[in-house]
Amino acid sequence: DGGITQSPKYLFRKEGQNVTLSCEQNLNHDAMYWYRQDPGQGLRLIYYSQIVNDFQKGDIAEGYSVSREKKESFPLTVTSAQKNPTAFYLCATTAGDLGNQPQHFGDGTRLSIL
Amino acid sequence: QKEVEQDPGPLSVPEGAIVSLNCTYSNSAFQYFMWYRQYSRKGPELLMYTYSSGNKEDGRFTAQVDKSSKYISLFIRDSQPSDSATYLCAMSKGTGRRALTFGSGTRLQVQP
Repeated sequence: DGGITQSPKYLFRKEGQNVTLSCEQNLNHDAMYWYRQDPGQGLRLIYYSQIVNDFQKGDIAEGYSVSREKKESFPLTVTSAQKNPTAFYLCATTAGDLGNQPQHFGDGTRLSIL
Repeated sequence: QKEVEQDPGPLSVPEGAIVSLNCTYSNSAFQYFMWYRQYSRKGPELLMYTYSSGNKEDGRFTAQVDKSSKYISLFIRDSQPSDSATYLCAMSKGTGRRALTFGSGTRLQVQP
């Protein structure tokens, strides 16, 4: 099946620890995005990537890092510098990045602090 | 002030009712408008995608865009308990490399 796979579904982070969230897609889409969702705040853009080896900061990039070594994969690392990491993290893709393509989402990773 | 405003609800309606969900926005550059449905602990699912002003219908769902008023709506006819979810509006300017701008979502409950 074509789709976007996020793993793990639930993740727990200890103080001072970096954790990495996985996002894999087999839709052959060029652009990939990471959003953070908090209650009552909608989705906020963390990072996005239009092509391999290129990515741009979104609105709330501080404390996060990404890589795009393969078209299919766009992992997100939540570093210890992110002081409030508890949230629902969503990965999305689009066929192009002209701003006129709808985005398709994975089923998210819920990150909590231990 | 947020670029996109959406009433958080919850909106509670009886089964079979017509539901109206709305968003207002402030940036006249937005040209593409989307509605997503999100069930609890799941990712958003695209319901409707429209360009510029006008109406678009798909089964029980109708999306309406009024660019002159900066107002978009989603109507759900013959609502079902399975429609209970959070509905997110989203929009984009159609150019550039940026992602979508989302409303905060409206939680809908359809009572059987």
